[in-house]
Amino acid sequence: EAGVTQFPSHSVIEKGQTVTLRCDPISGHDNLYWYRRVMGKEIKFLLHFVKESKQDESGMPNNRFLAERTGGTYSTLKVQPAELEDSGVYFCASSLISGRGGNEQFFGPGTRLTVL
Amino acid sequence: KNQVEQSPQSLIILEGKNCTLQCNYTVSPFSNLRWYKQDTGRGPVSLTIMTFSENTKSNGRYTATLDADTKQSSLHITASQLSDSASYICVVSAYSSNTGKLIFGQGTTLQVKP
Repeated sequence: EAGVTQFPSHSVIEKGQTVTLRCDPISGHDNLYWYRRVMGKEIKFLLHFVKESKQDESGMPNNRFLAERTGGTYSTLKVQPAELEDSGVYFCASSLISGRGGNEQFFGPGTRLTVL
Repeated sequence: KNQVEQSPQSLIILEGKNCTLQCNYTVSPFSNLRWYKQDTGRGPVSLTIMTFSENTKSNGRYTATLDADTKQSSLHITASQLSDSASYICVVSAYSSNTGKLIFGQGTTLQVKP
């Protein structure tokens, strides 16, 4: 069974440009999460989808970040326009169920974003 | 404020030795505590998940303990191997009926030397 996949693995862009990250969850997992780790900090929650609906987007840093999950399958995270502080590793995770603390979340390998 | 703190920040041990990593949390209301292993360039992989009522859980050479009263957890690695070199992250989930949001510690970087 394929795990969570993310594309691209690395992205280097200039400040002000737009970048779109993609996540394909494990097939059948309704729950999809985005997390981010900036240099020297812990991994932090960004948002949680249940199918195509945003269940919790309390971790999204600002309106330059837009996450979508059309059709409830793969998800994209767009950063527009990118700023230097957006650099970090963006992880996607998926789980079968959530609620009450959630079920086991399976993580993708991450996308390393560098904004110059 | 919900927080997870880990110690030590980094650790070097010789192959075959045991080690224990610590985690303190202030997440409330508490749902469960997880330990993840993250190899360089990869995503975190779950080692153990413990709920409020569980004091200990093992996964091969990994044994996690939980004291919900003192809000402390530990991860004990027995007979370490070179492949155990990785970052070990303590993660706590707050109780909620509708979200699977996880709160991460900064991790302990373990290096196992031959």
